[in-house]
Amino acid sequence: DSGVTQTPKHLITATGQRVTLRCSPRSGDLSVYWYQQSLDQGLQFLIQYYNGEERAKGNILERFSAQQFPDLHSELNLSSLELGDSALYFCASSALGDSNQPQHFGDGTRLSIL
Amino acid sequence: AQRVTQPEKLLSVFKGAPVELKCNYSYSGSPELFWYVQYSRQRLQLLLRHISRESIKGFTADLNKGETSFHLKKPFAQEEDSAMYYCAPAGFQKLVFGTGTRLLVSP
Repeated sequence: DSGVTQTPKHLITATGQRVTLRCSPRSGDLSVYWYQQSLDQGLQFLIQYYNGEERAKGNILERFSAQQFPDLHSELNLSSLELGDSALYFCASSALGDSNQPQHFGDGTRLSIL
Repeated sequence: AQRVTQPEKLLSVFKGAPVELKCNYSYSGSPELFWYVQYSRQRLQLLLRHISRESIKGFTADLNKGETSFHLKKPFAQEEDSAMYYCAPAGFQKLVFGTGTRLLVSP
């Protein structure tokens, strides 16, 4: 058990809809990362938050947004969903915001767009 | 540009055979380097990191700065080693994951 909790485990929805994925980092970790894993694109870094502030941005679409709350949990919002958004979405956390820190991953949310 | 290459998509070996999963990176400076493992589309788990120089589950990784490589090795593969392996150098502000190598260990 990594200590990183993601909910829900599975999400099935339709094109055009909006969903919110939730992540609770390990106790004491200040940084949260979001990744998308799909069969054709592999593991893609989306965005990082550190202590409530956006720290780094990767290949995140404009339809996607994220935030980190004062209790350090994070939410990833995906809107105007398309079939290609079907993927596994992982959250990871680390103690600090430095990329040299090891990251601890959650079990992921499997998003299926019908 | 920061880049990491795992040239093999699939590596298939028999139980007891040696294993080497290749990783080459193109980075400025001396990045911290990690290997992560993912079993059957489960969560990624940290396997090892260069700075700690430890061996986990019999795996070791040698950093070759001249060749900018960080290959993962194990002398005798086990069936339970079958998984996806990702090399991940720590770039500026983020980890950059390679495309991964699927290791399949047959009995």
